[in-house]
Amino acid sequence: NAGVTQTPKFQVLKTGQSMTLQCAQDMNHNSMYWYRQDPGMGLRLIYYSASEGTTDKGEVPNGYNVSRLNKREFSLRLESAAPSQTSVYFCASSDHRGATEQYFGPGTRLTVT
Amino acid sequence: GENVEQHPSTLSVQEGDSAVIKCTYSDSASNYFPWYKQELGKRPQLIIDIRSNVGEKKDQRIAVTLNKTAKHFSLHITETQPEDSAVYFCAFKAAGNKLTFGGGTRVLVKP
Repeated sequence: NAGVTQTPKFQVLKTGQSMTLQCAQDMNHNSMYWYRQDPGMGLRLIYYSASEGTTDKGEVPNGYNVSRLNKREFSLRLESAAPSQTSVYFCASSDHRGATEQYFGPGTRLTVT
Repeated sequence: GENVEQHPSTLSVQEGDSAVIKCTYSDSASNYFPWYKQELGKRPQLIIDIRSNVGEKKDQRIAVTLNKTAKHFSLHITETQPEDSAVYFCAFKAAGNKLTFGGGTRVLVKP
């Protein structure tokens, strides 16, 4: 079991460029989440998917879009990157809706110049 | 909105002493309260959680206590060791079946 995997591990973008962060889990979990973590701060929810076919906004959704491609995969897209989106992005998954352990991926460190 | 305040933001303790981190939450309907540990450069990992029908839960050197009336819960680490040095996050299950995280506490255990 690989658990939750994310690609890429590191990325540098110029302002205005677009990119997609990929996330996959092999634990047959229903729910998946995208968080951002800024230096010295906690985890802020960007979007989540309670089950395959559904997505909902979290605390900081502006500038992002998501796709729950199937039960395993949940991608995060930045259409026009801005320096304020420089952060570490974590994907997570859980078996039930928020009431059980969330398993995190290794993170993607994104820098927007 | 839903939020959780976590204190202190940094905590320095001598090896062998205890560490206590407290969180206060806003949503009285919440029923699930996990704690995550994040080592430097690593992903957050669950270390203990508690549900609203339990007031205290213990796992070896770590324990969590919950006071639903006062809407706060705390993490207790006893006999701290250097490997306990990390950032600790509290969280609670908010409306819409998602977790809301605290701002984190950086714990440094000095040998």
